[in-house]
Amino acid sequence: NAGVMQNPRHLVRRRGQEARLRCSPMKGHSHVYWYRQLPEEGLKFMVYLQKENIIDESGMPKERFSAEFPKEGPSILRIQQVVRGDSAAYFCASSKGTENTEAFFGQGTRLTVV
Amino acid sequence: DAKTTQPPSMDCAEGRAANLPCNHSTISGNEYVYWYRQIHSQGPQYIIHGLKNNETNEMASLIITEDRKSSTLILPHATLRDTAVYYCIVKDSGYALNFGKGTSLLVTP
Repeated sequence: NAGVMQNPRHLVRRRGQEARLRCSPMKGHSHVYWYRQLPEEGLKFMVYLQKENIIDESGMPKERFSAEFPKEGPSILRIQQVVRGDSAAYFCASSKGTENTEAFFGQGTRLTVV
Repeated sequence: DAKTTQPPSMDCAEGRAANLPCNHSTISGNEYVYWYRQIHSQGPQYIIHGLKNNETNEMASLIITEDRKSSTLILPHATLRDTAVYYCIVKDSGYALNFGKGTSLLVTP
């Protein structure tokens, strides 16, 4: 059973471009969470999705950031018009549910904006 | 904001038990205590979780006080590969994990 798969592992974008980060949850998991870790800082929750629904996006920046988890396919975190401050590690986690269940993390996507 | 308090750093000699404390005095009856760790810049790794009973798995033991206001993660025989930042998180169902600053554990030879 493969773990949470994130791709790409490293992504370089020029300022103003779009970044698309993909996350394939573990088999049987229908809950997905995205986190951001800025250099030398802690993990910050961004968004929690269940198949086709956004459950909690309280940690998402109001502009340029969006997330989806379609019925088929991976979850996508999209950052439009990237700026240097978006450079960070973005981690995805998945779980079967939310009560008495653990979430497993992927190895992250390192985004560098140049 | 994180609902837990952890010491910022701890040291442990290789082969000894590492006991990592966590205070969660405002924990509610439905909230579980979760422990994760992050080794260098890798993805966080799940360790263990519990509600009120002590728990043990192949990685660690979790001791939760009777009043549930604090807990201790025990790594019985620490190795150099256990050097990491350890996060204690309290979480209710329907919510995501909220990471605080954690404890940076350094295991020394």
